[in-house]
Amino acid sequence: NAGVTQTPKFQVLKTGQSMTLQCAQDMNHEYMSWYRQDPGMGLRLIHYSVGAGITDQGEVPNGYNVSRSTTEDFPLRLLSAAPSQTSVYFCASSPLRGYNEQFFGPGTRLTVL
Amino acid sequence: AQTVTQSQPEMSVQEAETVTLSCTYDTSESDYYLFWYKQPPSRQMILVIRQEAYKQQNATENRFSVNFQKAAKSFSLKISDSQLGDAAMYFCAYRSDRSNFGNEKLTFGTGTRLTIIP
Repeated sequence: NAGVTQTPKFQVLKTGQSMTLQCAQDMNHEYMSWYRQDPGMGLRLIHYSVGAGITDQGEVPNGYNVSRSTTEDFPLRLLSAAPSQTSVYFCASSPLRGYNEQFFGPGTRLTVL
Repeated sequence: AQTVTQSQPEMSVQEAETVTLSCTYDTSESDYYLFWYKQPPSRQMILVIRQEAYKQQNATENRFSVNFQKAAKSFSLKISDSQLGDAAMYFCAYRSDRSNFGNEKLTFGTGTRLTIIP
């Protein structure tokens, strides 16, 4: 199994550009989420989904959109990139609730100039 | 809302020695889960150990063990016989056990960078 995959691994954008970070998992997990990691701030939740067609906002959702049309895929869209969105982005998945471990993708390092 | 605090931004330990990383959390819930994740320079998030709040027995995974003090809301990680491969950022995380929409999220602390001295 590939687990959780993310593409691209690195990306540089100019302010105002848009892009989509891809995330896919092959473990049939209902729950998927996006976090951003910034120095000294740990990981913060951007958006999450508990199944196809169901998404909701996390702690820091502004400037990002998500959709979940299939169980496997959970893309994160930056509509108009800003320097404040320079960060490392992680996608994670798990079965719903409980003791279950969340599995993380390898991360995407995004720089917005 | 739950919060997780790691008060040690950096720690160092001699190879083969023991080190303890601290974590405290704030919650009004009685049922929840606590995790320690390791992030080496490769950036990959790796689960080290987890604890169910209703269990009094502290979790152990080989050289890694926790000291879970529910009343004090403390969840420290002890690494015995430290090895060079243990060098990483370590994150403490909280997850609710309530079966409500959205409670699967992890709330992370700010991390502790562990350095192993040869």
